[in-house]
Amino acid sequence: QKEVEQNSGPLSVPEGAIASLNCTYSDRGSQSFFWYRQYSGKSPELIMSIYSNGDKEDGRFTAQLNKASQYVSLLIRDSQPSDSATYLCAVMTGRRALTFGSGTRLQVQP
Amino acid sequence: DVKVTQSSRYLVKRTGEKVFLECVQDMDHENMFWYRQDPGLGLRLIYFSYDVKMKEKGDIPEGYSVSREKKERFSLILESASTNQTSMYLCASSLLARAGYEQYFGPGTRLTVT
Repeated sequence: QKEVEQNSGPLSVPEGAIASLNCTYSDRGSQSFFWYRQYSGKSPELIMSIYSNGDKEDGRFTAQLNKASQYVSLLIRDSQPSDSATYLCAVMTGRRALTFGSGTRLQVQP
Repeated sequence: DVKVTQSSRYLVKRTGEKVFLECVQDMDHENMFWYRQDPGLGLRLIYFSYDVKMKEKGDIPEGYSVSREKKERFSLILESASTNQTSMYLCASSLLARAGYEQYFGPGTRLTVT
């Protein structure tokens, strides 16, 4: 079992809809969780971090964390074509480095 | 703003060559990391460093070494490049004390070994 799992997609949503991206992790001791956005040919860009159970909102983005179920999700409201990218989930486990999922490709259709 | 820079965006090397990839950050971050990214395999950690002259192996250290002589600079060395080291190499940095260790990435170096 991979440590951090994401559906590879593509996830296709119409412009203006809510995109829901999910991630599960295997290490119950994980404390810190991150979402990165990566455009094709570019490096990952940090968009959200979450450390406590519940929701964290930042503009059109909401991160949700449920440690009991070992999942973290990212909601993108009012999706725009410019949101089309690969979204990487990353988890801080016992060491000081992150473990990344393989990413979910999001396509927002105009 | 955090700035992480990498010495080259694109690099072409021959099999057996020694290759140096350099990364510099300007935010006084303690932690620095080297990843490679391949289609279908995601980001994989090669080495990281949490202090000058300190290093720890990541998940795929074989065939690589690192050097950190100054806090702002972290070098990845391919001792004898092989074709299976063709990849995108990404450097990142983070603060030691900041909760959660948010990492910030450089632009990446696309290395081709022929």
